[in-house]
Amino acid sequence: DAGVIQSPRHEVTEMGQEVTLRCKPISGHDYLFWYRQTMMRGLELLIYFNNNVPIDDSGMPEDRFSAKMPNASFSTLKIQPSEPRDSAVYFCASSLETGAGYTFGSGTRLTVV
Amino acid sequence: GENVEQHPSTLSVQEGDSAVIKCTYSDSASNYFPWYKQELGKGPQLIIDIRSNVGEKKDQRIAVTLNKTAKHFSLHITETQPEDSAVYFCAATEFQGAQKLVFGQGTRLTINP
Repeated sequence: DAGVIQSPRHEVTEMGQEVTLRCKPISGHDYLFWYRQTMMRGLELLIYFNNNVPIDDSGMPEDRFSAKMPNASFSTLKIQPSEPRDSAVYFCASSLETGAGYTFGSGTRLTVV
Repeated sequence: GENVEQHPSTLSVQEGDSAVIKCTYSDSASNYFPWYKQELGKGPQLIIDIRSNVGEKKDQRIAVTLNKTAKHFSLHITETQPEDSAVYFCAATEFQGAQKLVFGQGTRLTINP
């Protein structure tokens, strides 16, 4: 398996623009997680899905953030409109169980100028 | 909810020496404790984990110990090598509605040749 695949690897955008991050989980993994990593706040869980259904979105910072999982092999995290404080590395992870064995992707480094 | 604290934030050791990273957690219901290694430009990678019914687990030069009474667990790396240089994260399960992992703030480990 190629692991968890995220795209793009790097994204630079202007404030106010819409940003879409993409993730392909490992085949057969029923859980998918979106994390944000910053120096100040470390690894923060934004939202996670089980069998394509959002289970916990309490970490989504505000309404500008939305996530979807239209099928078992694809998820998106969208920020609209983007702000400079959204600059961070965004990771997607998948697992067979909700609380164990997470496999992370390589991340998307987002810079909002 | 679960709170995971990790110490130290940075650690520098001579090649060949041992390194120890410690974490405490707050939720006595937590039963799964993984450790992740993150190299520059990559996502966190699971290196070892332990469940609450076990006190210690070893995998070659890496070991993890768990003290459920005191609610702390530690990562031990022996005979350190330059390739051990990375950021290490501990995590613990949180049980609020559904299980999810809560991560510590990370330890930047540097191995000096």
